Amino acid sequence: QVQLQESGPGLVKPSETLSLTCTVSGYSISSGYYWGWIRQPPGKGLEWIGSIYHSGSAYYNPSLKSRVTISVDTSKNQFSLKLSSVTAADTAVYYCAEDSSGYYYFDYWGQGTLVTVSS
Amino acid sequence: QTVVTQEPSFSVSPGGTVTLTCGLSSGSVSTTYYPTWYQQTPGQAPRTLIYSTNTRSSGVPDRFSGSILGNKAALTITGAQADDESDYYCVLHMGSGISVFGGGTKLTVL
Repeated sequence: QVQLQESGPGLVKPSETLSLTCTVSGYSISSGYYWGWIRQPPGKGLEWIGSIYHSGSAYYNPSLKSRVTISVDTSKNQFSLKLSSVTAADTAVYYCAEDSSGYYYFDYWGQGTLVTVSS
Repeated sequence: QTVVTQEPSFSVSPGGTVTLTCGLSSGSVSTTYYPTWYQQTPGQAPRTLIYSTNTRSSGVPDRFSGSILGNKAALTITGAQADDESDYYCVLHMGSGISVFGGGTKLTVL
């Protein structure tokens, strides 16, 4: 059974860097097609943050591109998100997700983790 | 910047049929965008309903179907049930590697 689990600080100070890790279990991440991060501010809709492909190519939401880095560590079966210079507008539930099919959709999702940006 | 449009809200009677749409601020949606539909209930992660325009994800009832209608992707629910009351999101995969979510449709069954 494939499971994804986000981990990281639930509280980040303004101007600092938000760092989250997604650990995949029940499945070798090396078999995946691409992995991504999606967020959802309280009471609002889903926003794609970015994705990284098995090839190593990464693509980011243009509105966040200057602040986002997504990386994969296949040896640890994990992938990570870093979002720099955060503000209160970055407060959201952050989801990690995986496309194992190659059909450009996320078939496996983590449960989500709330990250609050506040001093 | 590309904007994916969805109806903010919709209502359907139990047993009724409803079609939610997913369009582009500029241009037409086609299968090359690999339209995907997710269902989300409060406090839960999204669940895949439809991918690649019209392929049902494993375990999804056949009352959910996807298509292209005119210049939009569409999600049709035939024989709506009370537990279909959820938020529905479409997402389009742009050729540049970027994905864009629509704003979501809040579906009420009453």
